[in-house]
Amino acid sequence: DVKVTQSSRYLVKRTGEKVFLECVQDMDHENMFWYRQDPGLGLRLIYFSYDVKMKEKGDIPEGYSVSREKKERFSLILESASTNQTSMYLCASSFSLGPNQPQHFGDGTRLSIL
Amino acid sequence: GDSVTQMEGPVTLSEEAFLTINCTYTATGYPSLFWYVQYPGEGLQLLLKATKADDKGSNKGFEATYRKETTSFHLEKGSVQVSDSAVYFCALSDAKGGRRALTFGSGTRLQVQP
Repeated sequence: DVKVTQSSRYLVKRTGEKVFLECVQDMDHENMFWYRQDPGLGLRLIYFSYDVKMKEKGDIPEGYSVSREKKERFSLILESASTNQTSMYLCASSFSLGPNQPQHFGDGTRLSIL
Repeated sequence: GDSVTQMEGPVTLSEEAFLTINCTYTATGYPSLFWYVQYPGEGLQLLLKATKADDKGSNKGFEATYRKETTSFHLEKGSVQVSDSAVYFCALSDAKGGRRALTFGSGTRLQVQP
């Protein structure tokens, strides 16, 4: 089974801090994704990566950046955290970007910005 | 652009009741359709998928049929159990639309009472 591991289940940070969320997958998948999940809004795509060092903006990239230095690891960076970034963050990976390919999700990181 | 609309929850049912969660979509191409389930405190898991019109996806007693004429992919189960309590997300993947990630609905919470 594919395993997508997010480094923290819960995280509390302060406004203005630089925050790193880490995600690792163990199935040699090409593609990795970061979503945020908010009540009533479902999942919204922040960024995704289709290869090492390659990234593409999703629907809500403002205030975020990403890093993919190794195939198995995809990091989400909040450059200067703000309270409106309090949310559940979900990482996912997929074998390819073909339309039939499902995504495999981690358990999420619940981030609170105080 | 692509979009997915799900019925709002929560849906509250008694054990062994019949379940329907409605999902309709808008897409520019010929999308693949997915249902994901999120149990409390966990990430999303793929429940079932369908890749072309009239396909039926099924898993764990759940079924959904890809209806191109009504642009729908309703989730059904004949007899729900307490363990089915979760949030259910409908999603699509539409390569022709130029989008290389999933588009999710807002999610429907199902509560099954004993």
